[in-house]
Amino acid sequence: AQSVAQPEDQVNVAEGNPLTVKCTYSVSGNPYLFWYVQYPNRGLQFLLKYITGDNLVKGSYGFEAEFNKSQTSFHLKKPSALVSDSALYFCAVRVGNSGYSTLTFGKGTMLLVSP
Amino acid sequence: DTAVSQTPKYLVTQMGNDKSIKCEQNLGHDTMYWYKQDSKKFLKIMFSYNNKELIINETVPNRFSPKSPDKAHLNLHINSLELGDSAVYFCASSQAGVFGNQPQHFGDGTRLSIL
Repeated sequence: AQSVAQPEDQVNVAEGNPLTVKCTYSVSGNPYLFWYVQYPNRGLQFLLKYITGDNLVKGSYGFEAEFNKSQTSFHLKKPSALVSDSALYFCAVRVGNSGYSTLTFGKGTMLLVSP
Repeated sequence: DTAVSQTPKYLVTQMGNDKSIKCEQNLGHDTMYWYKQDSKKFLKIMFSYNNKELIINETVPNRFSPKSPDKAHLNLHINSLELGDSAVYFCASSQAGVFGNQPQHFGDGTRLSIL
């Protein structure tokens, strides 16, 4: 079975400061990891993914994430937060090279960036 | 141009009624999904279709019946609606294939409220 943990319900950060949204995973086999963002009354939007290769992946809107195999983590980061980054962030995992396996989502972390 | 579109956006109905939600994607993807997001924002896969064929069917009551007339459309019919069906239902699509490393694209959801 695969699972994702997002230990924080909410992360608060001041605009201009760096932000981190945490994610740890459990999967049998090689993980494919994803981050999505959800704005109010909208669907999820893809931010970035890790499949293989470089552990640091860069995505949309200046976000990046670092894959750490030993800690089974895939934390989302941004060097300088914007008020417009305030949204609900989801980490997701699936088993790699598995074709039609399901994507399992974490419970989400609300990011609030204050002016 | 909307990539994944769902109709209706809002659906308010009485317990016991039957209703349908429609989804269309213009991305040329071969796989489509239905997700349910509950009031706590937890997101769970319900069904997945690949080229009109059902490939993932999670533990969902028989009252929920998906139908895919072609690979660009995936509809969801719900019989005998219950209070617990109140949620936001998201349609998504992706290009599948053996490796399963493509991100999913989500519609903006259908907000179902049962009175």
